[in-house]
Formats: sequence, C-alpha cells, structure tokens
Amino acid sequence: DAGVTQSPTHLIKTRGQQVTLRCSPKSGHDTVSWYQQALGQGPQFIFQYYEEEERQRGNFPDRFSGHQFPNYSSELNVNALLLGDSALYLCASSLGTGALTGELFFGEGSRLTVL
Amino acid sequence: TQLLEQSPQFLSIQEGENLTVYCNSSSVFSSLQWYRQEPGEGPVLLVTVVTGGEVKKLKRLTFQFGDARKDSSLHITAAQPGDTGLYLCAGAQEYGNKLVFGAGTILRVKS
Repeated sequence: DAGVTQSPTHLIKTRGQQVTLRCSPKSGHDTVSWYQQALGQGPQFIFQYYEEEERQRGNFPDRFSGHQFPNYSSELNVNALLLGDSALYLCASSLGTGALTGELFFGEGSRLTVL
Repeated sequence: TQLLEQSPQFLSIQEGENLTVYCNSSSVFSSLQWYRQEPGEGPVLLVTVVTGGEVKKLKRLTFQFGDARKDSSLHITAAQPGDTGLYLCAGAQEYGNKLVFGAGTILRVKS
C-alpha cells in the first residue's frame, strides 16, 4: 500500500523563478493538503484540495496556487519565488474534508532552496 | 504569533529519564494531535485526542487533553534513544482537516 509520495525531493531555484511540486496521495484518500515548514518551525497550512477544488486556504499570497487532478494527485505552484519561500513543502492526504479528527498522512516533503 | 505554544523548545536528556512536553493555547480546539518528525521525513501521527480531559497511552507515551480543550501534554516514561526527534502538536479549530501546528519540541535522548 503506497503512502504519500512527493516529487522532487530536493530542488534549487533562483529568485523570480517558478516551481511546481507534485504529490500522490495515499491509496484510498481523496483529499490533499499542502503545508510549508520553514527551518525550525512547525508546518503552516497553505491550502487543501478536494474534488479538484480548493476548499480551504491559509494565509499565503496568490503566488501560491494549486491543482488537483481526477486521480486525486495534486500540484503546488509557486510563482515569483522569494528567498523566504525556502522551506520543506509537505503534502498530506486524508479521506474526506470533514473528519473531526483531521487525521493526515504526510509525505517526506520537497525541500526547496531559493538563491 | 504562534497559536499553539510548545515548551520546551529543546530537551536533551539521558536514556531512562522521564520528560513532559507541553502544548498551550488561548484558543479552543475540536481535536488535538501529536506528531513525531525525524530529519528528512514528514510528520508521523502518534495520537489524536478529542474529548476534554481525555488521556491516551501509547506504550511509554501518555497524552492528555486539557479539560477546556486548549492545551495538551505528552509524557514519555523511561526515554530511549529511539525517541529522539521533533515532537509537534497540532490543533483542528473547525470542521475539516486544516491543522494549526506548534513550533515543535526537539528531543534528544542520549545513551
């Protein structure tokens, strides 16, 4: 049973560039959430996708956008990269959006470095 | 400002010692979770607590949710080097899977 898979695992970009990160949810899961984890901090919620639509969004600028495909996989896009966007980007999958317990399964993350 | 405050930020102890990590907030959460994260990996869920005053045990780990559902604690008995890692608490404030994380507690257990 495949868990949450993310790609790429590491990447380096320069300021102003654009990046796309990819995520395949755990088998049987239909909801994907994206989190940003800066060094020494806890993850911060970016947004959540369910049924190919953005359902919830955290306090992130419009430079951060996403997409969910019919097979439930998802992409996170960041435009006009800033140095402060350097972080570990985590994808988490779950079954449905309304689970009271909010149980998430995380991937290993994509480490983005912006120079 | 962190909605969930974790303390201590860093803890270094000897194998066999006991420890407690705290997670505090002025906000009420519908549920609270504890995760453990190792370097280069994503967080792994340890436990979810839902009811105020709830206590859950997972082998040597004991988790408690405050009566008012604003705070939680994680107690580890007889810590082992394998317990080393970043411990994160995360709260759900509304119906849905959006979680608010604390900054984490880095635990190092020396043998």
